[in-house]
Amino acid sequence: GAVVSQHPSWVICKSGTSVKIECRSLDFQATTMFWYRQFPKQSLMLMATSNEGSKATYEQGVEKDKFLINHASLTLSTLTVTSAHPEDSSFYICSAALSSRGKADTQYFGPGTRLTVL
Amino acid sequence: AQSVTQLGSHVSVSEGALVLLRCNYSSSVPPYLFWYVQYPNQGLQLLLKYTSAATLVKGINGFEAEFKKSETSFHLTKPSAHMSDAAEYFCAARQGAQKLVFGQGTRLTINP
Repeated sequence: GAVVSQHPSWVICKSGTSVKIECRSLDFQATTMFWYRQFPKQSLMLMATSNEGSKATYEQGVEKDKFLINHASLTLSTLTVTSAHPEDSSFYICSAALSSRGKADTQYFGPGTRLTVL
Repeated sequence: AQSVTQLGSHVSVSEGALVLLRCNYSSSVPPYLFWYVQYPNQGLQLLLKYTSAATLVKGINGFEAEFKKSETSFHLTKPSAHMSDAAEYFCAARQGAQKLVFGQGTRLTINP
């Protein structure tokens, strides 16, 4: 249980184009999803917190107009990298929080999407 | 603010030897604590979590971690390393409803 998928697993695009990444919780409903970015040999950097039906909360330094997040349902969140540039090339990972009554939310992570911008 | 420190960015052990990955948190109030494993080009997989129910937490793949409040630590151990344990390991902490804070990660290498 608690499986999170991401699509695509990798994508190569030209500079200036937009790329959409999907994150789905397959066997549970997640009121909260998170988007992270990971540079090579580094830890995860939280980009934004996404709550179903409301606007995402972005971390300091993350451009909300560049990284558009939509959380339209309890099982799907999308991250769109708009007007991508080579510096946006990275590994993007989403997670979905599974809540159980009285216990800590646990984040389950997707397999990640490697974005390469040429 | 909560911070998580993983001592040793790279740990190397022989196959069959004890694995010990260190994690310390900064908060005076014990947070919820997690260990995740990441294999190359993959997302993170939850190994185990501490939620104040028991100080010794058993996880998947033979891993366990012990919460020690006096030492503000949550070290990850496995009695006998296997080649398949080679991966990147992340310790993370969360205070209540706040965001998850990750350590810098420890790369575990297993020598045959």
